Amino acid sequence: AQKITQTQPGMFVQEKEAVTLDCTYDTSDPSYGLFWYKQPSSGEMIFLIYQGSYDQQNATEGRYSLNFQKARKSANLVISASQLGDSAMYFCAMRDGVYGSARQLTFGSGTQLTVLP
Amino acid sequence: GAVVSQHPSRVICKSGTSVKIECRSLDFQATTMFWYRQFPKKSLMLMATSNEGSKATYEQGVEKDKFLINHASLTLSTLTVTSAHPEDSSFYICSAPGGPSGELFFGEGSRLTVL
Repeated sequence: AQKITQTQPGMFVQEKEAVTLDCTYDTSDPSYGLFWYKQPSSGEMIFLIYQGSYDQQNATEGRYSLNFQKARKSANLVISASQLGDSAMYFCAMRDGVYGSARQLTFGSGTQLTVLP
Repeated sequence: GAVVSQHPSRVICKSGTSVKIECRSLDFQATTMFWYRQFPKKSLMLMATSNEGSKATYEQGVEKDKFLINHASLTLSTLTVTSAHPEDSSFYICSAPGGPSGELFFGEGSRLTVL
């Protein structure tokens, strides 16, 4: 069974600084996908970044990068140059299978990020 | 990215009544949609997988008679909370796979309050 663990219930970061949100996972499937989503107070879920288990390089998407350490089973999200609008709940998620297929995601418990002015 | 629309965003109902929530994929077809439930400041828990043209697949512990799911077309799935009780109050959010990496695109969510 899949398991996603986010050990930081809350994080604070100063505006313009970088912040790392931790995520560890556990699965017996060699093929899997890892995702990060942002959930503002409005409730919508915004897709940020994806990393496939066979990807050799860490995924990057603008100010977001995913620090993928396969041996440690970790997939930390790094947000560079934090902005006030980054304040939100962040969820790490996993799916069996690497490539797009109609499979559900399993979510971690989330980290509430607050960016301080 | 793909757009998923969910309606209503907020609904308040009396105990014992039924509430229908709609989830539409606006610019793509979705043979599968997923319904999640989220309690305040908690994670998203998968309730069921909605399959176009066939019965939904429910997760363990989810009452299929209480949470009726119908996937009538390639762009519409509905969740009906039947005989709602205060403990059914929650944030319900639907999603559909629509990206190249299989990422899920989510609706805006529906906040249900049962009085």
